[in-house]
Amino acid sequence: GEEVAQTPKHLVRGEGQKAKLYCAPIKGHSYVFWYQQVLKNEFKFLISFQNENVFDETGMPKERFSAKCLPNSPCSLEIQATKLEDSAVYFCASSHPRRTEAFFGQGTRLTVV
Amino acid sequence: AQTVTQSQPEMSVQEAETVTLSCTYDTSESNYYLFWYKQPPSRQMILVIRQEAYKQQNATENRFSVNFQKAAKSFSLKISDSQLGDTAMYFCAFMKHSNSGYALNFGKGTSLLVTP
Repeated sequence: GEEVAQTPKHLVRGEGQKAKLYCAPIKGHSYVFWYQQVLKNEFKFLISFQNENVFDETGMPKERFSAKCLPNSPCSLEIQATKLEDSAVYFCASSHPRRTEAFFGQGTRLTVV
Repeated sequence: AQTVTQSQPEMSVQEAETVTLSCTYDTSESNYYLFWYKQPPSRQMILVIRQEAYKQQNATENRFSVNFQKAAKSFSLKISDSQLGDTAMYFCAFMKHSNSGYALNFGKGTSLLVTP
């Protein structure tokens, strides 16, 4: 596709429930990134992939967060046992291997109640 | 670690006027890229402009231009002939390497309001 597609747009989960977010990168882009944006401000990098391999996971809270990018499937970000502080907009971005610009999806707003 | 600082949480400008948004960064890297992204109320992140650190010439995209001062580690964005549609959050971002697999480090953003 010509744009980064994220689903769902909104997700509401009760505290302790699981949340799963999906991202289809732009065709031809081999890098995928996940960011968390809290309160419309600060972006926190979570994890990046080069194709299906983890490239950088230094921002990932590993206790409850996991992510995958499998061939021929959308990438996913899963949060086990959600907490109130996980409420945020989660952005996926992708970039072409020979270009530096990252293109963002429209984000998934996760609300934990 | 790289840090990006945007010292102006909010700014306001009248339509057709010029405004400059500030950004400073801290890094020991010699090869890096700098970006400005715009986030309107729709929350879509839109790339405004990009600057390669090895280029001395300031990048320009239509009404948007940057003042890149490498020694001072400063990367300000100038918006000329401001339009109502420029109202948005603006984020300055740093990428430490030309390898596009490296993540962006974002500043905390500047909220720009363009008034009639």
